[in-house]
Amino acid sequence: RKEVEQDPGPFNVPEGATVAFNCTYSNSASQSFFWYRQDCRKEPKLLMSVYSSGNEDGRFTAQLNRASQYISLLIRDSKLSDSATYLCAVNYPGEPLVFGKGTRLSVIA
Amino acid sequence: DARVTQTPRHKVTEMGQEVTMRCQPILGHNTVFWYRQTMMQGLELLAYFRNRAPLDDSGMPKDRFSAEMPDATLATLKIQPSEPRDSAVYFCASAQGGGQPQHFGDGTRLSIL
Repeated sequence: RKEVEQDPGPFNVPEGATVAFNCTYSNSASQSFFWYRQDCRKEPKLLMSVYSSGNEDGRFTAQLNRASQYISLLIRDSKLSDSATYLCAVNYPGEPLVFGKGTRLSVIA
Repeated sequence: DARVTQTPRHKVTEMGQEVTMRCQPILGHNTVFWYRQTMMQGLELLAYFRNRAPLDDSGMPKDRFSAEMPDATLATLKIQPSEPRDSAVYFCASAQGGGQPQHFGDGTRLSIL
């Protein structure tokens, strides 16, 4: 299978900090990109899609860098409730989404 | 909010027993996926269907696992006989098509003793 790589972390950050994760993918023909959030003992939930022009939703910004084949997720003003594992997902042509193993984030008071 | 529904939520059984997990995809989604998640392996794709036809089950141990989609509202994943190494969380997900985001059910937490 095609690979999607993420730093497993954990990223331990104080409340209010800005934190960013990257996710690299191996096929330049990839067409769709997503970030998911997974809480402990819960299912992955779609956080946001990643468009070529970037995507912002409140404190969350996702970007795509096709030249370097990675996507990023930036979280501003971190909240305790942002603590979770963040998985990226990449669509390779003709195949279902390939998920990374996730980056664990802990926001500390 | 439309959701993927999985049953049972939890299952504890002895090795050698048959286990059947069920999934109702979101209405209108034509692609259904089965995943297994463990702490060590992350999300592993076991099998997926499009328009009820199996497209890929290469991630599944063929000797003991089987996946079917008897109709558009039901997907099943069966393990027979079960083994302790099958203990994991099994997720079902559905999507409107290739390249579309997948939506996950709550999962079945399976423990084989």
